[in-house]
Order: sequence, then structure tokens, then C-alpha cells
Amino acid sequence: EIVLTQSPGTLSLSPGERATLSCRASQSVGSSSLAWYQQKPGQAPRLLIYDASSRAPGIPDRFSGSGSGTDFTLTISRLEPEDFAVYYCQHYGNSLPMYTFGQGTKLEIK
Amino acid sequence: QVQLVQSGVEVKKPGASVKVSCKASGYTFSVYAMHWVRQAPGQRLEWMGWINAGKGNTQYSQKFQGRVTITRDTSASTIYMDLNSLRSEDTAVYYCTRGWFYDLWGRGTLVTVSS
Repeated sequence: EIVLTQSPGTLSLSPGERATLSCRASQSVGSSSLAWYQQKPGQAPRLLIYDASSRAPGIPDRFSGSGSGTDFTLTISRLEPEDFAVYYCQHYGNSLPMYTFGQGTKLEIK
Repeated sequence: QVQLVQSGVEVKKPGASVKVSCKASGYTFSVYAMHWVRQAPGQRLEWMGWINAGKGNTQYSQKFQGRVTITRDTSASTIYMDLNSLRSEDTAVYYCTRGWFYDLWGRGTLVTVSS
């Protein structure tokens, strides 16, 4: 089972700043099958990034994903007020025994 | 409209079972894998299992093996998640989701287990 560890646990930034969120896998993630989700209080998660770096339809281009192997990054280039939320990474695939999520990074307004 | 509509809030006693439904609309139901994910209060997302909406084959998380059953009704474009032997730790919001990376989510169903 692949374990995903996200850092930092909480990130305090101001609107307009750049956010860099990390997701590290305990072993290599095949074919970059790594997704990022945003979750706001009381809402279901929303897909932001899939295949490590592909933006989901309707997601602003200030969101970008990068990485491969065991180290992945979600970058938000210029924070908007609506971006403050919890972000999760996830490993997925069609032949996995488990579909794991990271523990989340809370992005809060400084 | 492409959406997943889940059944409503459930309150159950320890030891009971719960069945949550998820009706798909606006797309071809049978071509996607459908997953159930839950989130206990203040906790991370937790995968429970998935079903091939077309073929009906399933796979479950080892954590829930023996307690969870996922089924589907293709004529109703609906999937179901049955969880038995409920305990207080099963209090959570249960989500249905579509695909291998989850591009579509239901709004969630709150299941509360309390005596």
C-alpha cells in the first residue's frame, strides 16, 4: 500500500501570494497517477489536477501540478480569496488494491 | 445535467446496517467505475471500494472487507453502498464518486451512528 504524506499540514498565506503544496509517496507512483482535490467546509471535494499535471476542466490556470515518481507539487500562482481550503492528493489506478489519499494541507488566510 | 444524487441523512444505532444510494444522470452510467469514499468529522478522505458500473465487479478496501457491499442497478443508473455492523467510528459523510480520478462527486450522505 502506498502512503501519501502531505506537507505542510497548514500553510498561512495572503491573497496574491504563491502557494506550494507537497505530496510525497512512500514508493513510486506508476504512470504519474496522482490527483489533487480542493475541499471547502461542508462541500464535496473538487478535482483540480489529474495525471500529476493535467488541469481538470474549468480549473483556473493559476493551479498547476508537477512531479513524478515519489514527489509531487501543487502550485497556486496567485492566491485568490476563494482558494483558501483544504487540499488532498490521491493515488489512483485501475488495478490497485487501495486508493489512498494524503492527510491534507489546510491553506489558511494569514 | 451531469450529476450524482445521493440519498438523505441516516441515523442508526450501533450494530445496525445502512444502505446509501447514488443516482447518476447526464452521462452513460455503464462506462465508468464508481467509488465510495467516506470522511469522518475532521478526518481525511478514506476510500471504501468501487464497482464497475457496467460489469458489476467490485473491489473493497481491506479495512471494510466483510462489512461493506457495493451493488448497482443499471436500469436505474444507481449504485448502492451497504455497510453493516455499524459502530460509532462509522459516523461520517459518505460520498459516491465517478472514475479513476474522481471528476464527479455526489454531495455526500451523513450517516450518524449513535445509541
